[in-house]
Amino acid sequence: ETGVTQSPTHLIKTRGQQVTLRCSSQSGHNTVSWYQQALGQGPQFIFQYYREEENGRGNFPPRFSGLQFPNYSSELNVNALELDDSALYLCASSSDRVSTDTQYFGPGTRLTVL
Amino acid sequence: GQNIDQPTEMTATEGAIVQINCTYQTSGFNGLFWYQQHAGEAPTFLSYNVLDGLEEKGRFSSFLSRSKGYSYLLLKELQMKDSASYLCAPQAGNNRKLIWGLGTSLAVNP
Repeated sequence: ETGVTQSPTHLIKTRGQQVTLRCSSQSGHNTVSWYQQALGQGPQFIFQYYREEENGRGNFPPRFSGLQFPNYSSELNVNALELDDSALYLCASSSDRVSTDTQYFGPGTRLTVL
Repeated sequence: GQNIDQPTEMTATEGAIVQINCTYQTSGFNGLFWYQQHAGEAPTFLSYNVLDGLEEKGRFSSFLSRSKGYSYLLLKELQMKDSASYLCAPQAGNNRKLIWGLGTSLAVNP
């Protein structure tokens, strides 16, 4: 158990719809990173939030957006869903108070776009 | 650019030892993580190396050579539950981001 939770566990949407995925970080972890992982691939970095501000972004279009809240929770929003958005979405929390910045992952949300 | 290379698949026998290699090219290297990921589950932290040398943690050990851009994960006394994907992730840059490889899928056979 990493102390990181995500909801929902599974989600089915249709093309063009919008989705919000949620993550609750470990208490005291001020950094959250979001990843997209397609089957058989490594995690692809979407973006990172540090103290409620975006702190780096991967190669994802603007329809992927996020928020981080003061209570260590965060959201990933995806607009205008496409079939290729079907993947496992992972959030990982870490703390800048720990020199290694080890990231601890939540169980993920499996998104299927039909 | 940034690049990570590890074997796609490996097979080993229960009770044996297996070494999973990883070579990387990154700018602003800080350290290197190894994660284990079972099918359908999230990655779980195994080890972190920042200095050259071997870090031992039970049945798992991880080695790093910063000058060669090389790391390996050594798994001893393999168990069936070790069948999983093993992800090498260098940490780089001022913002200490992780760069993920595709992972090595390890199958442990009886």
